[in-house]
Amino acid sequence: SQQGEEDPQALSIQEGENATMNCSYKTSINNLQWYRQNSGRGLVHLILIRSNEREKHSGRLRVTLDTSKKSSSLLITASRAADTASYFCATDANAGKSTFGDGTTLTVKP
Amino acid sequence: DTAVSQTPKYLVTQMGNDKSIKCEQNLGHDTMYWYKQDSKKFLKIMFSYNNKELIINETVPNRFSPKSPDKAHLNLHINSLELGDSAVYFCASSQGKVSGNTIYFGEGSWLTVV
Repeated sequence: SQQGEEDPQALSIQEGENATMNCSYKTSINNLQWYRQNSGRGLVHLILIRSNEREKHSGRLRVTLDTSKKSSSLLITASRAADTASYFCATDANAGKSTFGDGTTLTVKP
Repeated sequence: DTAVSQTPKYLVTQMGNDKSIKCEQNLGHDTMYWYKQDSKKFLKIMFSYNNKELIINETVPNRFSPKSPDKAHLNLHINSLELGDSAVYFCASSQGKVSGNTIYFGEGSWLTVV
């Protein structure tokens, strides 16, 4: 079965609000990455968090990792219409094999 | 310059046909992948090559045959296409097969089998 599962499947917010997406996984991991996919495009890497890290920031992005709960969250602060996209978590338990979650579709209304 | 490029972007073909999707990366990476994304956006790895050597081969029908003539290219050939093969196929690359390497994706090839 799929390693990562995102929650919620879809999220709709107003511009300026914060968006939080969650990812849960089943087995122990070495690291977890978040990717973004704009409609009709390929995935783009956003941020990586290693298993010994608890929180990481990159601009308006904040990622947390709780290995005891096997979960991660991606927070986008002060969202913009341009943040509208699908967001995927990818776990890397085995070298060279990243397993992607089902994705959260985020819609930011202007 | 496009880092990972794949062609064609759109492909509509009839059941039973054979088709190929080509992929090239100019990032100097030594690992390349093929992923399949279905209509529900579920993304699944199909194959991975490291320095032209097959290292990941998921449960994929043997109608799918990847070919890597050199480490900058990874093509995907599909024989006897079926309706269920309709999906978006993404080529990707990374440097090395070490855990945590960023994967760079192409723009996708939309395959529709009719």
